[in-house]
Amino acid sequence: RKEVEQDPGPFNVPEGATVAFNCTYSNSASQSFFWYRQDCRKEPKLLMSVYSSGNEDGRFTAQLNRASQYISLLIRDSKLSDSATYLCVVVISGGYNKLIFGAGTRLAVHP
Amino acid sequence: NAGVMQNPRHLVRRRGQEARLRCSPMKGHSHVYWYRQLPEEGLKFMVYLQKENIIDESGMPKERFSAEFPKEGPSILRIQQVVRGDSAAYFCASSEEDRGPDTQYFGPGTRLTVL
Repeated sequence: RKEVEQDPGPFNVPEGATVAFNCTYSNSASQSFFWYRQDCRKEPKLLMSVYSSGNEDGRFTAQLNRASQYISLLIRDSKLSDSATYLCVVVISGGYNKLIFGAGTRLAVHP
Repeated sequence: NAGVMQNPRHLVRRRGQEARLRCSPMKGHSHVYWYRQLPEEGLKFMVYLQKENIIDESGMPKERFSAEFPKEGPSILRIQQVVRGDSAAYFCASSEEDRGPDTQYFGPGTRLTVL
């Protein structure tokens, strides 16, 4: 079983749509959680951290359910510029912060 | 302040040749991480280095791969006797301290193609 699993997509949505991505992780010792965005043939960039209480940044909302080992990302009012691959990332507790990436979910927003 | 720099950006090698990938961390950063991304997959951790020390190489293949981060100069990821399966994007990230994942800044990557 992969440490971090995501639906690969692609999700094809029209502008203005709301889209949700899910992610599950297998290691209960995971302590930190993030969503990264990766544009085609570019490096990943941190989108937002994910907290147990949930957090929101503009049109983006992230949720964490530790009991179910489940992370989600909700994007409201999708823009063309949101088209990218969204990577779920976890960090296992103990020692330094080694990032463990999911394979990513592709989003394509069309006019 | 320049970001993380990697070179070359694209590298083509024939099977059996050596590949050398370089990573210059952000100014003031002494921690370097290397990740590999195979086509259609997520990034996989390879190795974590501090100046002159390898801290964790648990993600490195046992043979043909090595990494270093000398006191002076960039970090080097070296792949000997490359095979087609080594074709991938190799990203490095750097941080000032090992304080948190959000302090890791990624370079643009080196895309290695093995013919």
